[in-house]
Amino acid sequence: DVKVTQSSRYLVKRTGEKVFLECVQDMDHENMFWYRQDPGLGLRLIYFSYDVKMKEKGDIPEGYSVSREKKERFSLILESASTNQTSMYLCASLGSSYEQYFGPGTRLTVT
Amino acid sequence: GENVEQHPSTLSVQEGDSAVIKCTYSDSASNYFPWYKQELGKRPQLIIDIRSNVGEKKDQRIAVTLNKTAKHFSLHITETQPEDSAVYFCAASRAMNTGFQKLVFGTGTRLLVSP
Repeated sequence: DVKVTQSSRYLVKRTGEKVFLECVQDMDHENMFWYRQDPGLGLRLIYFSYDVKMKEKGDIPEGYSVSREKKERFSLILESASTNQTSMYLCASLGSSYEQYFGPGTRLTVT
Repeated sequence: GENVEQHPSTLSVQEGDSAVIKCTYSDSASNYFPWYKQELGKRPQLIIDIRSNVGEKKDQRIAVTLNKTAKHFSLHITETQPEDSAVYFCAASRAMNTGFQKLVFGTGTRLLVSP
């Protein structure tokens, strides 16, 4: 079974803090993704990576950056957290069958 | 870029009824259309998908239909059961230059199946 894990299920941070969200997959997948999920807006792509050290912006990259130093790990960084970044963050990795495997999600609250 | 619209946003049915969720897409180059199910508090999981060279696909009680000319696709669930209650997301994608498929998701449909 593919396993995608995320470092935290719940996170509370203050405005202006730097926030790191970690995602690890164990299936040697090349492609990994970060989405945010908001009610009524579905899943929106923030960033994706198709190889180590390779990254591309998704549909809503503003206020975020990413890092992929190892194939299995993809990190999402909020340089200076703001209240409008309060959301559910989902990581996913992509297998050869086009199926995206999601992590359990991190519910981030910025106060 | 691709835009995917999904309707309805909420759907309530009685157990045993059928449920239909509809999506439209804008990019005629899209060639892969998956459906994901997200139960409360859990991660989205793929339940069925269809590629552009196929008009319909079935898997037990669920089926997906694709109309490429009209650029819309639908999820059909027959004989609904309470465990079908979840949020369902459609998505559309096409191959990027790097070879992989970038998904654009619909906004989701919350399906409630009452016993």
